Amino acid sequence: DIQMTQSPSSLSASVGDRVTITCRASQAIRNDLGWFQQKPGKAPKRLIHSASTLQSGVPSRFSGSGSGTEFTLTISSLQPEDFATYYCLQENTFPLTFGGGTKVEIK
Amino acid sequence: EVQLVQSRAEVKKSGESLRISCKASGYSFANHWIGWVRQMPGKGLEWMGIIYGGDSETKYSPSFQGQVTMSVDKSSSTAYLQWSSLKSSDTAIYYCARPYGSGDWGQGTLVTVSS
Repeated sequence: DIQMTQSPSSLSASVGDRVTITCRASQAIRNDLGWFQQKPGKAPKRLIHSASTLQSGVPSRFSGSGSGTEFTLTISSLQPEDFATYYCLQENTFPLTFGGGTKVEIK
Repeated sequence: EVQLVQSRAEVKKSGESLRISCKASGYSFANHWIGWVRQMPGKGLEWMGIIYGGDSETKYSPSFQGQVTMSVDKSSSTAYLQWSSLKSSDTAIYYCARPYGSGDWGQGTLVTVSS
């Protein structure tokens, strides 16, 4: 199985901060990576597919980059509604595997 | 508009059987994969497996092979997740979701198993 190592597992940030979350794959997965946001009591919402393509309706302050084994989700200016847990998902090889999650909390 | 609508929450006892459902609409069910994701209380997301709507080809993640059964009813565009004998460790929220770039997820079904 491909292991997805996500870091950090949690972070504290203020509104307006730039936030970066990283996922590392245990083997190359091209750009077959998605990013998800989950708020308490809600289903996950896909933000990005194919490493860098924004899902329709997702604000442009979210961006993704990377290819191969290293991937990054960046929130350029954190907004109050962005406090949530974020997960990466590799979709290159079955079984599909998620990263462990990053909880973004208010500083 | 794509919609995945899941069945209601369930409360069961250990050893009981259960089948939960996910009714799809707004896309060609027979031409796409659909899968199930588990989220145990306070924990992260785990992809359980995927099934193809057209021919029921199924792929299970190793941790879930033999533990659950996935199926589809193409005529009603519905996917199912089934347990023959529940354990307390099956207590979780289960989401149906379309993989491979899709943003479509169900609202989740909470399964509570008491001993």
